[in-house]
Amino acid sequence: AQTVTQSQPEMSVQEAETVTLSCTYDTSESDYYLFWYKQPPSRQMILVIRQEAYKQQNATENRFSVNFQKAAKSFSLKISDSQLGDAAMYFCAYRAIRTGNQFYFGTGTSLTVIP
Amino acid sequence: KAGVTQTPRYLIKTRGQQVTLSCSPISGHRSVSWYQQTPGQGLQFLFEYFSETQRNKGNFPGRFSGRQFSNSRSEMNVSTLELGDSALYLCASSRDQVSPLHFGNGTRLTVT
Repeated sequence: AQTVTQSQPEMSVQEAETVTLSCTYDTSESDYYLFWYKQPPSRQMILVIRQEAYKQQNATENRFSVNFQKAAKSFSLKISDSQLGDAAMYFCAYRAIRTGNQFYFGTGTSLTVIP
Repeated sequence: KAGVTQTPRYLIKTRGQQVTLSCSPISGHRSVSWYQQTPGQGLQFLFEYFSETQRNKGNFPGRFSGRQFSNSRSEMNVSTLELGDSALYLCASSRDQVSPLHFGNGTRLTVT
């Protein structure tokens, strides 16, 4: 069964600094997608970044980038130049392409940005 | 383009009652899925509908049911409410089987 693990329940970072959130997953599939979602206090989940497993190049969206290690089944999110608006709950998610297409979410990491 | 709309935003119900939550997906999105979010449990998958057919179902009791209409709007029903059903219920839509999920603001259900 697919599982997604986020081992850091809480993280904090100084404003303008860089922080990395960890995520590992377990799957026997070869084709899948990985996502990072952000949930601010407004509670709406917002897509931050997506990575296709068949792509070796790490995805980047402005200040957000990932370190995708397929063999290690690791998918960490790096936030550069952290801003106060980055404070939120971050969820890592996995979606298989062929079997079921169901999303699996980690339990989340609560990020605090210190001014 | 309008986002995913969930109604109502808040609900307070009593044990034993039933409740219906509504979700309108983004225009053009045919897949709608539902999640229960509680502190410490993260997001638990309830079910997914695609073109009016239930495609996937999570590990929840039969008290939780859903449906999708021809216009892709979806409803989720919980019967015989229990205190443990208190949670944030999130609806998400996607265009197809490989697209990201787009979430609504959720319905906060409190069971007393």
